[in-house]
Amino acid sequence: EVQLVESGGGLVQPGKSLRLSCAASGFTFDDYGMHWVRQAPGKGLEWVSSISWNSATIVYADAVKGRFTISRDNAKRSLYLEMNSLTTEDTALFYCAKGLTTVRTADSLDIWGQGTMVTVSS
Amino acid sequence: EIVLTQSPATLSLSPGETATLSCRASQSVITYLAWYQQKPGRAPRLLIYDASKRATGIPARFSGSGSRTDFTLTITSLEPEDFAVYYCQQRSDWITFGQGTRLEIK
Repeated sequence: EVQLVESGGGLVQPGKSLRLSCAASGFTFDDYGMHWVRQAPGKGLEWVSSISWNSATIVYADAVKGRFTISRDNAKRSLYLEMNSLTTEDTALFYCAKGLTTVRTADSLDIWGQGTMVTVSS
Repeated sequence: EIVLTQSPATLSLSPGETATLSCRASQSVITYLAWYQQKPGRAPRLLIYDASKRATGIPARFSGSGSRTDFTLTITSLEPEDFAVYYCQQRSDWITFGQGTRLEIK
């Protein structure tokens, strides 16, 4: 079964850091671009960051550029999101998602995890 | 950044009717547009990619059309399980999502 399982969310104070992880199974992880998408409570979907299969291409949304770092470890079949200088605006459910194809990084997202909640509050 | 504007914000229909959802892009995305369905407490599910291609396992009552800046998701013969929030997403210039259309039971 193709599956993505996020972890690492929690309650954190403003200005602090948090690292999210996403464990992949059921597909050839190192063939696909991977993505983080977040959803604030009661709001819509917001793309956060994407990384190509070989980590050569990495892109961030303006809202997180300079604060968040996406990375992957193909040997461990894992995707990561290091989040620094968190603000209350970062409070959201963070989803890990798999790109649909092996030929591009900007892609449709065909497999999603269940999400991990990040709450930034003092 | 390409902005996607979805309309209407909310659509109220009855089971058996046809839903027509719109997504307009601020500049051409060619046909690099996808549609997702999201139910409460669940992750989004890919329905349509590249404007008109159904994703694996998606029923034929879901169809997509359009190109450049104007796109439509059509759901015929609405089933009770189709009432949800729908998002469009472009991949022409990295990734952005529309704000969503809520399809509710009338």
